[in-house]
Amino acid sequence: QQPVQSPQAVILREGEDAVINCSSSKALYSVHWYRQKHGEAPVFLMILLKGGEQKGHDKISASFNEKKQQSSLYLTASQLSYSGTYFCGTETTQAGTALIFGKGTTLSVSS
Amino acid sequence: EAGVAQSPRYKIIEKRQSVAFWCNPISGHATLYWYQQILGQGPKLLIQFQNNGVVDDSQLPKDRFSAERLKGVDSTLKIQPAKLEDSAVYLCASSLGGVPHHQTQYFGPGTRLLVL
Repeated sequence: QQPVQSPQAVILREGEDAVINCSSSKALYSVHWYRQKHGEAPVFLMILLKGGEQKGHDKISASFNEKKQQSSLYLTASQLSYSGTYFCGTETTQAGTALIFGKGTTLSVSS
Repeated sequence: EAGVAQSPRYKIIEKRQSVAFWCNPISGHATLYWYQQILGQGPKLLIQFQNNGVVDDSQLPKDRFSAERLKGVDSTLKIQPAKLEDSAVYLCASSLGGVPHHQTQYFGPGTRLLVL
């Protein structure tokens, strides 16, 4: 039950905003967001838990809509360093199982 | 704090050959994961260890892939014999484990495997 990410790709200029969505057909317990730059390991951004609050740091934030089983990642006033592929990883239970990752959304920020 | 270490970083082999990858997780992390990431896709779990026991290996092609985590620290993933479709990046990740279960997974740099 791989989560579905949209859009597949986003092209921005510095300073513009973007929203990346992650949807699941199953009820979710948590959603984890990672960013991966080309040839590098995925880097953790944040976790959102069922019943939890919207998270954020710097100009990147995320929300979790339990009714829709969807999480959204918000990138505000994008910087060149935001370029990369964003993956959401989901857990459907709190049993400590591994994440199921979406196919990713590629973000390209240019000056 | 040292991150997750993996070696080798790159490997090129012929099909039907064997290959092994090594992972050293972050010190104190009880849970270790091996993921396969095919170009353009998200990481897919191959096997999850809790200390030296297997939690989930349901997606590990056991006819050719094997993994072990002796002493609950380092882990090795082996492919024998390799097929062309095994060309991918193999990522190792670790987390503290225990409660709460929704813990951050930290990824290593990965091993890029090309099977010719």
